[in-house]
Amino acid sequence: ETGVTQTPRHLVMGMTNKKSLKCEQHLGHNAMYWYKQSAKKPLELMFVYNFKEQTENNSVPSRFSPECPNSSHLFLHLHTLQPEDSALYLCASSQEYTGSYNEQFFGPGTRLTVL
Amino acid sequence: AQKITQTQPGMFVQEKEAVTLDCTYDTSDPSYGLFWYKQPSSGEMIFLIYQGSYDQQNATEGRYSLNFQKARKSANLVISASQLGDSAMYFCAMREDTGGFKTIFGAGTRLFVKA
Repeated sequence: ETGVTQTPRHLVMGMTNKKSLKCEQHLGHNAMYWYKQSAKKPLELMFVYNFKEQTENNSVPSRFSPECPNSSHLFLHLHTLQPEDSALYLCASSQEYTGSYNEQFFGPGTRLTVL
Repeated sequence: AQKITQTQPGMFVQEKEAVTLDCTYDTSDPSYGLFWYKQPSSGEMIFLIYQGSYDQQNATEGRYSLNFQKARKSANLVISASQLGDSAMYFCAMREDTGGFKTIFGAGTRLFVKA
C-alpha cells in the first residue's frame, strides 16, 4: 500500500448504529487530519493530530470521536449520527515542520450515508 | 479572519487551450501559504502547486502555474494546454503560519474540458 488509504470506501448506517472509519498513511508523516466534505459546502476541517496528540477540534459534535493510536493510523468513531452527517469524509496527512508549507496528501475518502 | 473566495462555480475550456481559475484570499497574517488541489470524480484530493507569501516568483509545476498578486490578495491557477483529464473540481486553500494546523479551503471551481 502506498500513500493514504481509507476504509471503507462507502458506508450506509442508521442513526442508531455505531461504526468506525479507518485511515492509514504510509508516508512517514507526523500529522493526520479528518475533513468533512458536504455537497455545496467548502471542505471542513474536523480534527488534527500531530505526533498522536490532538491539536485541533473544530467544534465537532461529540457523536464524532477521533482516535489516533500512532502516527500512521487515524480512526473516526461514529455513533447516533444524523442524516445531515451524510458526506464524504476525507483523511489527509502531512509532514509538519517550521514554516507554512504543509502539502497534504489525501486518501480517497469514505462516502457516508446516514439513513 | 482567514477567508478563501472562488467566484467561478463552473468553467469550460477547449482542449489544448489555457484556462485561469480565480482565487482571492483574506488574511492579516504576513506569513502564509497558498495551495491548489484537484479533486477528480473519484474523490481524492490531489495537491497541485504551492506559493509562499514571501516567494518572489510565481510558482510553476509543469502545466500549472500560480499567478500570485500579493497586493490584490489573489492566487489564480493557470492551466496551460488543457487536457480532458483536467476535468475536475479545483480548490484553492490557505494556511497561516499563526493558524496552527488549520487549512481553509474555498468552495471550488468545477472545470470542464471540451474535446
